[in-house]
Amino acid sequence: EAGVTQFPSHSVIEKGQTVTLRCDPISGHDNLYWYRRVMGKEIKFLLHFVKESKQDESGMPNNRFLAERTGGTYSTLKVQPAELEDSGVYFCASSQGVGAGVYEQYFGPGTRLTVT
Amino acid sequence: ELKVEQNPLFLSMQEGKNYTIYCNYSTTSDRLYWYRQDPGKSLESLFVLLSNGAVKQEGRLMASLDTKARLSTLHITAAVHDLSATYFCAVDVSGGGADGLTFGKGTHLIIQP
Repeated sequence: EAGVTQFPSHSVIEKGQTVTLRCDPISGHDNLYWYRRVMGKEIKFLLHFVKESKQDESGMPNNRFLAERTGGTYSTLKVQPAELEDSGVYFCASSQGVGAGVYEQYFGPGTRLTVT
Repeated sequence: ELKVEQNPLFLSMQEGKNYTIYCNYSTTSDRLYWYRQDPGKSLESLFVLLSNGAVKQEGRLMASLDTKARLSTLHITAAVHDLSATYFCAVDVSGGGADGLTFGKGTHLIIQP
């Protein structure tokens, strides 16, 4: 069974540009999460989808970040316009839906974003 | 705001030695997760601890949870080089289990031959 995949693995963009990150969760997982790790800091929760609905977006830093999960499958995270402080590693995770019990989150390899 | 503190943040040890990584958290929770990350790789789930007194073991790693003390430990027995990695603890305070996790900063573990 394929794990969580993320694309691209690395992205280098200039300040002011737009970048879109993609996450494909494990097939059948209703819950999808985005996290970010800025260098030297903790991994921070950004938001949580249940199927196509945003369950919790309390961790989104500001309105330059837009996440979507159309159809409840893959998700995209767009940063527009990117700022220097957006640099970091963006992780996606997924877990099974209601009734699965443990809700163990499985993480993707991350996208390393560098804004210059 | 929930805070999760790990210590130490960096640990260099020799093969064959024992050591413990500590994870303290500031708000009541009965779900705690330990993850391992190798450089450039995904976070790999090691343990899910779901109740007070929970203890889980896998090979040379053993994790425990004391919800009253808000403390989890990850104990390494007779360390081997292959265990070199960064270890994260993470807490879920929702109770429902499906919410976002709050992570510690991670413990960078180097095991010298």
